[in-house]
Amino acid sequence: EAGVAQSPRYKIIEKRQSVAFWCNPISGHATLYWYQQILGQGPKLLIQFQNNGVVDDSQLPKDRFSAERLKGVDSTLKIQPAKLEDSAVYLCASSHLAGENYNEQFFGPGTRLTVL
Amino acid sequence: AQSVTQLGSHVSVSEGALVLLRCNYSSSVPPYLFWYVQYPNQGLQLLLKYTSAATLVKGINGFEAEFKKSETSFHLTKPSAHMSDAAEYFCAVRNPNDYKLSFGAGTTVTVRA
Repeated sequence: EAGVAQSPRYKIIEKRQSVAFWCNPISGHATLYWYQQILGQGPKLLIQFQNNGVVDDSQLPKDRFSAERLKGVDSTLKIQPAKLEDSAVYLCASSHLAGENYNEQFFGPGTRLTVL
Repeated sequence: AQSVTQLGSHVSVSEGALVLLRCNYSSSVPPYLFWYVQYPNQGLQLLLKYTSAATLVKGINGFEAEFKKSETSFHLTKPSAHMSDAAEYFCAVRNPNDYKLSFGAGTTVTVRA
C-alpha cells in the first residue's frame, strides 16, 4: 500500500510571501491531519479533517493559515503571508475512521519550510 | 487534557548497549500511548502503541515499552543498540475518546561504534 505523499519536500520563501503544501493520504483513509513541527519540538496538530469536513482547527492560526480537502481525498495547506516563525516541517498524516488500525496515524515525509 | 514529558533531549549509547528512553504522561483518563521514530528527512513511523491491553508492548525493530500506571510512565527500551537505531524518538499520548495526539519534545539517539 502506498504511503502518505507530500509535496514539495522543501520550500524556501521570503517573509510576507505565500506558500502552499499538498498532501495525498493513504487510499481509503477518511481522516487527514496537518501538523507543524518546529525544530527541537514535537509535532503540533494544526487541523484535522474527516472526509471533507473540519473536525478540529483550534490550533490553526486562521489569520494566515488555511486548509481544504474539497473532495475528501487530497488536501492543501496554505500560508499567506508567511512569517519567520512559520519556518518548520509540515507533516501530513492519515488514519482509518474505525477498525483495527483506528488508533494509528500514518505520516508522510513532510515539507520543510524555510522563511527568510 | 493530556501531555507528555520526555526526559533527556539527547541520549548517546554504544553499539550493543541498552537503549532506554523515558516518557512520563499526564492524563485525566486512562490514555492510549505511542512511540514514534523519525529518521532524518523522513516522517514519523510508529514503533509501538499501548491501547489498554497488555502493559508490556512489543514493537518493531526489537523495541518494547511498559505501561506503568502507578508511575505514569511509558519508557521505551531495546536490549542491544544498533547503528541503524540512530534517530529521533517521540512519545505521544491520546485520550481514547478523542483523536488528538499530544507529542513530547523528542529524544535524539546517537549510537557510537
